[in-house]
Amino acid sequence: DAGVTQSPTHLIKTRGQQVTLRCSPKSGHDTVSWYQQALGQGPQFIFQYYEEEERQRGNFPDRFSGHQFPNYSSELNVNALLLGDSALYLCASSLGSRGYTEAFFGQGTRLTVV
Amino acid sequence: AQRVTQPEKLLSVFKGAPVELKCNYSYSGSPELFWYVQYSRQRLQLLLRHISRESIKGFTADLNKGETSFHLKKPFAQEEDSAMYYCALDGGGNNRLAFGKGNQVVVIP
Repeated sequence: DAGVTQSPTHLIKTRGQQVTLRCSPKSGHDTVSWYQQALGQGPQFIFQYYEEEERQRGNFPDRFSGHQFPNYSSELNVNALLLGDSALYLCASSLGSRGYTEAFFGQGTRLTVV
Repeated sequence: AQRVTQPEKLLSVFKGAPVELKCNYSYSGSPELFWYVQYSRQRLQLLLRHISRESIKGFTADLNKGETSFHLKKPFAQEEDSAMYYCALDGGGNNRLAFGKGNQVVVIP
């Protein structure tokens, strides 16, 4: 089991562009959460997908959107990129039953907006 | 709202010395508290959670609801403990984690 995999590992985009980040969850997991980690900060919750629906959302603008596919993989889309969107984006997978189950994190995608 | 505070950014300790990382939280209900660790060039991983009451790699953490704290402790630091440590809170029991800013621990040989 490769665990949680994210792609790409790094990318550079220009302000105003759009970006799509991808995440494959750990085998057996059906829930994917996305986090943004700015330099020197802890991860900040963006949103969570379960059963192909956005189940929870953090305090992020609508420019941030996502999708979950039937195989539980997920995408994070960011439109109209701002310089402040430069960060490490982490994906975490878990089991969707209510109550805490351990979240497993990917290595992250480092996004640089210039 | 969920809030986690880790006051010290960098902590340097000598090998064999005790380590204590402070974590305070703000949440109106009964949250689940966690410590996550990130070793160099590795992904973020769970170290321990308060409900399990385990000692992992010699680390323990006690939830103090009166002081709203969840400090991480280890009596004798090892070089392999050098890492970034994050305190996290799950208020709704649904894997929506609120993280602190993290503590960089450097263990000096």
